[in-house]
Amino acid sequence: EAEVAQSPRYKITEKSQAVAFWCDPISGHATLYWYRQILGQGPELLVQFQDESVVDDSQLPKDRFSAERLKGVDSTLKIQPAELGDSAMYLCASTRQSWGETQYFGPGTRLLVL
Amino acid sequence: AQRVTQPEKLLSVFKGAPVELKCNYSYSGSPELFWYVQYSRQRLQLLLRHISRESIKGFTADLNKGETSFHLKKPFAQEEDSAMYYCALSTGSARQLTFGSGTQLTVLP
Repeated sequence: EAEVAQSPRYKITEKSQAVAFWCDPISGHATLYWYRQILGQGPELLVQFQDESVVDDSQLPKDRFSAERLKGVDSTLKIQPAELGDSAMYLCASTRQSWGETQYFGPGTRLLVL
Repeated sequence: AQRVTQPEKLLSVFKGAPVELKCNYSYSGSPELFWYVQYSRQRLQLLLRHISRESIKGFTADLNKGETSFHLKKPFAQEEDSAMYYCALSTGSARQLTFGSGTQLTVLP
């Protein structure tokens, strides 16, 4: 069964360093989401892509976060510079289309900023 | 703005007992609600959605628009039901999900 892939699974970095996370959605899924999940909370949407276009990045802290999906397939989320408050689980999810369909989640990347 | 509230962070029940995980939402439009579950060491996955009106693994959830609730219920809990449960609300033309903070269910033997 096809699954959403994410790497790395764990990342430890020092504050002010740059980090990048990668997501490969299920083949054929046009919509891709990045979520941030702080410990003890539910996932919060950071950015949504439809193919290679950003649908919504209103919750993305654009001074330090960037996301791209250049060919409309896999995606990269970058943080530069990382801050202590960025420590969280970063989840990627995908759907065939955005409306009314199940979101399939990846295993996540757990980031610890020291 | 939309919001999902799960008032219980932790819930413990004994095997065979009924279980109800509470979810309340606030949204001015027509809501579409989901329950997602995360078992230990597994990824987040869909459990059920209100428009399907189906029972998954013995769980059901009814949308009550008057009380703005979407509580998850199971008449007889099993140990394998122990997991983190998230209620989620889908809104807008882009159908984005707003998640609650989750309830950790533990079913005791």
